[in-house]
Amino acid sequence: KNEVEQSPQNLTAQEGEFITINCSYSVGISALHWLQQHPGGGIVSLFMLSSGKKKHGRLIATINIQEKHSSLHITASHPRDSAVYICAAPSHHEGVRSPSGGSNYKLTFGKGTLLTVNP
Amino acid sequence: NAGVTQTPKFQVLKTGQSMTLQCAQDMNHEYMSWYRQDPGMGLRLIHYSVGAGITDQGEVPNGYNVSRSTTEDFPLRLLSAAPSQTSVYFCASSYSRLAGVYNEQFFGPGTRLTVL
Repeated sequence: KNEVEQSPQNLTAQEGEFITINCSYSVGISALHWLQQHPGGGIVSLFMLSSGKKKHGRLIATINIQEKHSSLHITASHPRDSAVYICAAPSHHEGVRSPSGGSNYKLTFGKGTLLTVNP
Repeated sequence: NAGVTQTPKFQVLKTGQSMTLQCAQDMNHEYMSWYRQDPGMGLRLIHYSVGAGITDQGEVPNGYNVSRSTTEDFPLRLLSAAPSQTSVYFCASSYSRLAGVYNEQFFGPGTRLTVL
């Protein structure tokens, strides 16, 4: 079983539809990252959340720490939302420590959800 | 700020050749890492660094070397390229992890490498 699982793997929607992408994770501490990978390949961070809900424009991310589940919603979807959406769970990692003394962690990534929004 | 830059964007190598993928960031980030992205798989950590002079292995380090002589630069070296190293490589950086896991990751644009 993958440590971070996303569903669906592929999603096609019509412009204006409400989109939901799900992420379940079995590893990690109580936080999750959502990332967006553009068709050209670049990756940007959308959200980091450890509880509740965060909203940025038409994007909403929710997380249930007890159930280790997170969802990414897109309201009023648009063709420019077409991208791969990736969730990533941080977990503690034994390794070298930063000079600032911060705790180590690594990110385990899901395989991504390819979203296509048609006009 | 230029953010995280990577060069080259595309590269074709023959088996056995060596090369260095360059990565630089101008945000004074402490933490830098290299990932590879393969079809049907999530991003996987190759090597990471928590500051100048401090590096460590990730999940898939074999065949790669790194060094961190400055805060800004974190090059990835392929010692003897193999077809299995055909992939898209991403460099990423983030602020000091003293704040825990809530630090935003900044990614470079990626390098698409093909090994024949």
